Amino acid sequence: QSVLTQPPSVSGAPGQRVTISCTGSSSNIGAGYDVHWYQQLPGTAPKLLIYGNSNRPSGVPDRFSGSKSGTSASLAITGLQAEDEADYYCQSYDSSLSGSGVVFGGGTKLTVL
Amino acid sequence: QITLKESGPTLVKPTQTLTLTCTFSGFSLSTSGVGVGWIRQPPGKALEWLALIYWDDDKRYSPSLKSRLTITKDTSKNQVVLTMTNMDPVDTATYYCAHHDVVKYYFDYWGQGTLVTVSS
Repeated sequence: QSVLTQPPSVSGAPGQRVTISCTGSSSNIGAGYDVHWYQQLPGTAPKLLIYGNSNRPSGVPDRFSGSKSGTSASLAITGLQAEDEADYYCQSYDSSLSGSGVVFGGGTKLTVL
Repeated sequence: QITLKESGPTLVKPTQTLTLTCTFSGFSLSTSGVGVGWIRQPPGKALEWLALIYWDDDKRYSPSLKSRLTITKDTSKNQVVLTMTNMDPVDTATYYCAHHDVVKYYFDYWGQGTLVTVSS
């Protein structure tokens, strides 16, 4: 079970807007640690999509945006395109009594209908 | 241009020790603030962080796997090596290495991954 919770799947028609949530706790997102998002196309390595909660690396379309509030974060994709069909993962840092380090969400499969 | 590539055995037997090498270019692990991490992904499952090593030789491990992992670096060869002891079929996964920034704490460049199968 992942430390960060994501919905297993979301879907949307081309052109629509979808959001993917990432829920953490007071030892990770709620503690103020940044959230980052990765896109993993089928059969490929993950690619950094959003860093520092809401920043896009060079080359990432502005259709992708991120936000963070409290113990949760969200990835929004507007103007859905067929090429957006992929798995999406959130990532943060966790510090608790049992240890600390990088944590990932369980991943969300986006289907473009 | 930053690139990373994982190498190692594709098949290991249960109880054996896995040794994976990450060979990288485009950056130096002697540069302040730079790190390399290992992440794995079982078939059809989520990403799982394993270990990190930084330019100053600081090392971090996943709490749940710490007893089985060792990460080292060879700065002169631009390589990072991960060893995982007592391999089990549940450790079957694609293993990725990735460039990591200690300040920003994300993985911005990833290798292509290498599939390791644990089976007798």
